[in-house]
Amino acid sequence: QLQFQESGPGLAEPSETLSLTCTVSGGSISGSSYYWGWIRQPPGKGLEWIGTIHYSGSNSYNPSLKSRVTISVDTSKNQFSLRLTSVTAADTAVYYCMRHVDSTLGYYFDYWGQGTLVTVSS
Amino acid sequence: QSALTQPASVSGSPGQSITISCTGTSSDVGSYQLVSWYQQHPGKAPKAMIYEGSKRPSGVSNRFSGSKSGNTASLTISGLQAEDEADYYCCSYAGSSTFVLFGGGTKLTVL
Repeated sequence: QLQFQESGPGLAEPSETLSLTCTVSGGSISGSSYYWGWIRQPPGKGLEWIGTIHYSGSNSYNPSLKSRVTISVDTSKNQFSLRLTSVTAADTAVYYCMRHVDSTLGYYFDYWGQGTLVTVSS
Repeated sequence: QSALTQPASVSGSPGQSITISCTGTSSDVGSYQLVSWYQQHPGKAPKAMIYEGSKRPSGVSNRFSGSKSGNTASLTISGLQAEDEADYYCCSYAGSSTFVLFGGGTKLTVL
């Protein structure tokens, strides 16, 4: 059973960079059928896809966030990370790391972390 | 690109069936058989209930079913149970520029 552990500061200052890491256990992130990424949910609001990355380095980002987002992968540590620059209060959200199935096995988000709340405030 | 459109809320009594709609456009829902549905209980991470429009992940009850007609996808829950009370989100692939869109979410109340 895959498990995810999200880590990173729960507070970020406006205009600074938000950084989160998701460590995967119970399986390797080096599978060809899977992408790894992030989805966020502002308090009381809906889900927003941020982006995904394949272990090979191939990535895709939400066009509305693309200029500020970087998702990277470290296969040696079985983890992937999110960097979101120039944050504002609008970036306050619960950030979920997840696995994205993209193959003949299907196209959906099948495993999710428990989520970590990041608040942007001075 | 705009989010997919879902009703804000639906309700039903135990044992009844309900349907939640998810309306997109010919650029997303209408063009691909890649709609998925997620159930989210308060304070919990979302859980996949339907993928590729009508397939159920292993372990998901067959009371949950999905379908699509034109630019609108639907999630039907039959034999409503108290534990089905949650928020439900649809999601669709939207092409190689936009990639993924979510609906705004629907709150299901079991009366």
